[in-house]
Amino acid sequence: DTGVSQDPRHKITKRGQNVTFRCDPISEHNRLYWYRQTLGQGPEFLTYFQNEAQLEKSRLLSDRFSAERPKGSFSTLEIQRTEQGDSAMYLCASREGALYGYTFGSGTRLTVV
Amino acid sequence: DQQVKQNSPSLSVQEGRISILNCDYTNSMFDYFLWYKKYPAEGPTFLISISSIKDKNEDGRFTVFLNKSAKHLSLHIVPSQPGDSAVYFCAARGIFRHNNNDMRFGAGTRLTVKP
Repeated sequence: DTGVSQDPRHKITKRGQNVTFRCDPISEHNRLYWYRQTLGQGPEFLTYFQNEAQLEKSRLLSDRFSAERPKGSFSTLEIQRTEQGDSAMYLCASREGALYGYTFGSGTRLTVV
Repeated sequence: DQQVKQNSPSLSVQEGRISILNCDYTNSMFDYFLWYKKYPAEGPTFLISISSIKDKNEDGRFTVFLNKSAKHLSLHIVPSQPGDSAVYFCAARGIFRHNNNDMRFGAGTRLTVKP
């Protein structure tokens, strides 16, 4: 097990385009989180899955954002009609249960030009 | 709402000296506190944690102190090494009945350890 993997590491896209990121959590972890981090800020919660169920979405997650976790394994985060304000590091984290700490992936850095 | 605050965006110390990173929180529902370390182009990695039932936890060069009455915690690194240079995030976790997002992060403190 190589930890939490995120793909791609970097993405540059033109404003208005759609982008999709992938996260592969640690295999035995049933909880998966998406966070967004901008410069000078800590990670901000976006959404949370327990197995395949999306149990919570932040108000930061506008209707242009959608996340899925089919079969409770990998997860995808899609941003439609990207805006320059979407430029950030998108972090995925997983953990085994409520009492355990997160393991973060290396993140996907999105730049919208 | 910023429930976890790290008021010092940066800290610079000399190699071998002590680094003290501070964190304040506002929500008394938090019951577990963590410190994460982040290098550029990498995700945060877990460093050390402390339960609200303790006031100190030590792991090698790293010690976390918790003052519940002041809602304050600190991370001490001694002796500091150049490899400790990174951004340190304080995080707090609570069990909220209807809120599965139970981790809140501070904005981070960039530590620079000078040789």
